[in-house]
Amino acid sequence: NAGVMQNPRHLVRRRGQEARLRCSPMKGHSHVYWYRQLPEEGLKFMVYLQKENIIDESGMPKERFSAEFPKEGPSILRIQQVVRGDSAAYFCASSPSSGGTGELFFGEGSRLTVL
Amino acid sequence: KNQVEQSPQSLIILEGKNCTLQCNYTVSPFSNLRWYKQDTGRGPVSLTIMTFSENTKSNGRYTATLDADTKQSSLHITASQLSDSASYICVVSAKKGTGANNLFFGTGTRLTVIP
Repeated sequence: NAGVMQNPRHLVRRRGQEARLRCSPMKGHSHVYWYRQLPEEGLKFMVYLQKENIIDESGMPKERFSAEFPKEGPSILRIQQVVRGDSAAYFCASSPSSGGTGELFFGEGSRLTVL
Repeated sequence: KNQVEQSPQSLIILEGKNCTLQCNYTVSPFSNLRWYKQDTGRGPVSLTIMTFSENTKSNGRYTATLDADTKQSSLHITASQLSDSASYICVVSAKKGTGANNLFFGTGTRLTVIP
C-alpha cells in the first residue's frame, strides 16, 4: 500500500509564474490536508478537503492560492503569480476519516523555490 | 484560544543520553494528543497517540506521558541515538467539530544528537 505521494518533490518558479503541487492520498483515504512549512518553522495548516469538497480553508491566503480534491485524481494546491515569500515546503497529509481521532499520514513534501 | 506550545525550541545532547521534550496545550474539548517525528527533509511520522485516559505509553525508546488535568504531555527519549536527530511535533486534536479542522500543531522541538 503506497503512502501519500506528492509531486513534484522540488519545484523552481520565477516570480509571477504558477505553481501546481499534487498529492495522491493513501489508498482508501478520503480526507486530505495541506500544510506549509517555512525553513526552521513549524507546520501551518492551510486547507482541509474531502472528495469534491473544501471543508476548511481558514489557513489559506485569500488571494492567489486555491486547492481542489476532485472525484478522480490527486488533490491539487495551486499558487498563482508566485512571490518569493511563497518559497516553502508544502506537505500533504491524508486520513481515512476526519483527522480528529485518526492518524495523519504525511507525504514527503514539495519544496517550492521562487526566484 | 486553542494553542499548543512546545519546549525547548531546540536541544543538543550527547549520544547515549536521555532527554525529555515538553508539550503544553489549551485545546478544548480534548480528544487526543500525538507526537510526530520529522526527519530533515521528510514528512512527519506518528510516534505515539495519547487519549484522555492514558497516562503513559511507550514505543521502544520513546515514552510519552499525558496529564490531562494540567494539559501537559512529555516525550522522553532513552539512550539517544544519532538517528533520533529530528524535529518532534506535538499535535492535539479537539473533539470533532462540524466540518472544521480540529488539529492543532506545536512548532516542534529540534533535537540534535551528537557523537
